[in-house]
Amino acid sequence: GAGVSQSPSNKVTEKGKDVELRCDPISGHTALYWYRQSLGQGLEFLIYFQGNSAPDKSGLPSDRFSAERTGGSVSTLTIQRTQQEDSAVYLCASSKLAGGPYEQYFGPGTRLTVT
Amino acid sequence: AQSVTQLGSHVSVSEGALVLLRCNYSSSVPPYLFWYVQYPNQGLQLLLKYTSAATLVKGINGFEAEFKKSETSFHLTKPSAHMSDAAEYFCAVRTGFQKLVFGTGTRLLVSP
Repeated sequence: GAGVSQSPSNKVTEKGKDVELRCDPISGHTALYWYRQSLGQGLEFLIYFQGNSAPDKSGLPSDRFSAERTGGSVSTLTIQRTQQEDSAVYLCASSKLAGGPYEQYFGPGTRLTVT
Repeated sequence: AQSVTQLGSHVSVSEGALVLLRCNYSSSVPPYLFWYVQYPNQGLQLLLKYTSAATLVKGINGFEAEFKKSETSFHLTKPSAHMSDAAEYFCAVRTGFQKLVFGTGTRLLVSP
């Protein structure tokens, strides 16, 4: 079956512009996660969805970051007024259920470069 | 709070040699532990997971890991390295719900 897909695969934007990153989870997976991977910070958790609700947003670095999930499926991560420190690979993952032993399946990521 | 420590940012082995990647965890409650592998410009792929069913866990590509509570460790091993094993490996811990907490990763280099 299809895995987690993310689009775009690469995004180059100018400082100050807004960007939207999309994640399509595996069909039937109720939990969806966003992570950020950067050279200096490693893999960082951003936000987690259970259905369309986000019980844990603790990893969002600032109020410029927001995310939503609709129909219990597709999720969009939006970064407003991008800064150079936002440059990173943004990874999305989904799992059948939240927590416990359920493994997370990762997408290929979106590489964001802010110039 | 939960955390993982991966000792060694880089590990070099010869093809055919034993692979040992170290992971120590910190958790106040019984953890779930995972090893993921990341090839260049790709996402993370699950190698194996510990869910308390068995302390020795076998994964894909010939990898295995042993959960040792007394040592708070979950080291990843493979008896014989292959060139295709060259990648970055991440150990991760989770308790209860939500997020994975990742280690800083270990890059495995395999020389012929």
